[in-house]
Amino acid sequence: KAGVTQTPRYLIKTRGQQVTLSCSPISGHRSVSWYQQTPGQGLQFLFEYFSETQRNKGNFPGRFSGRQFSNSRSEMNVSTLELGDSALYLCASSDGAYTGELFFGEGSRLTVL
Amino acid sequence: KNEVEQSPQNLTAQEGEFITINCSYSVGISALHWLQQHPGGGIVSLFMLSSGKKKHGRLIATINIQEKHSSLHITASHPRDSAVYICAVSLRAGGTSYGKLTFGQGTILTVHP
Repeated sequence: KAGVTQTPRYLIKTRGQQVTLSCSPISGHRSVSWYQQTPGQGLQFLFEYFSETQRNKGNFPGRFSGRQFSNSRSEMNVSTLELGDSALYLCASSDGAYTGELFFGEGSRLTVL
Repeated sequence: KNEVEQSPQNLTAQEGEFITINCSYSVGISALHWLQQHPGGGIVSLFMLSSGKKKHGRLIATINIQEKHSSLHITASHPRDSAVYICAVSLRAGGTSYGKLTFGQGTILTVHP
């Protein structure tokens, strides 16, 4: 059974640009959550999607957005990049049920210059 | 004060030692997760707990809901256990919100041979 796949693994952007990151969950999982990890703030929750609907959202500005497709794949987008957006972006999938364990991808490491 | 506090922040041990990492939280939760992160970024979910105790191999996790406290124990530690261990909680809220996690700051564990 394939794990959670995140693409791209590494990317470099400049301030003001936008970026789209992709997350393919484990087959059969309907929930995808996104997290940002930085040295200063640690891990923080961005948003969670379940069956194409945003179920929860963290405290991030509107420049951070996401969506989920009918095949459960999810994308997140960051517009008008700032230096502080440099981070490891992780996604996790689960079956969305009460006892659903989370399975994490390897992350996408974004550097903003 | 953070909603999730871990101790210690850094832990060094000799191979074979018994290790305990603690996690305290200040809010009602629906579940608590123990995560392991190796250099390079990938996160592995070790345990998801809502009550009692769980054991996987040399790892044991316990939770005391009344005291809002959880511990992760590693018996017979090994250098390959060296990693960052992160406690995270799903806050109690209406509906299912298990991907919306609040994270502790992590414990950096180094096990020397």
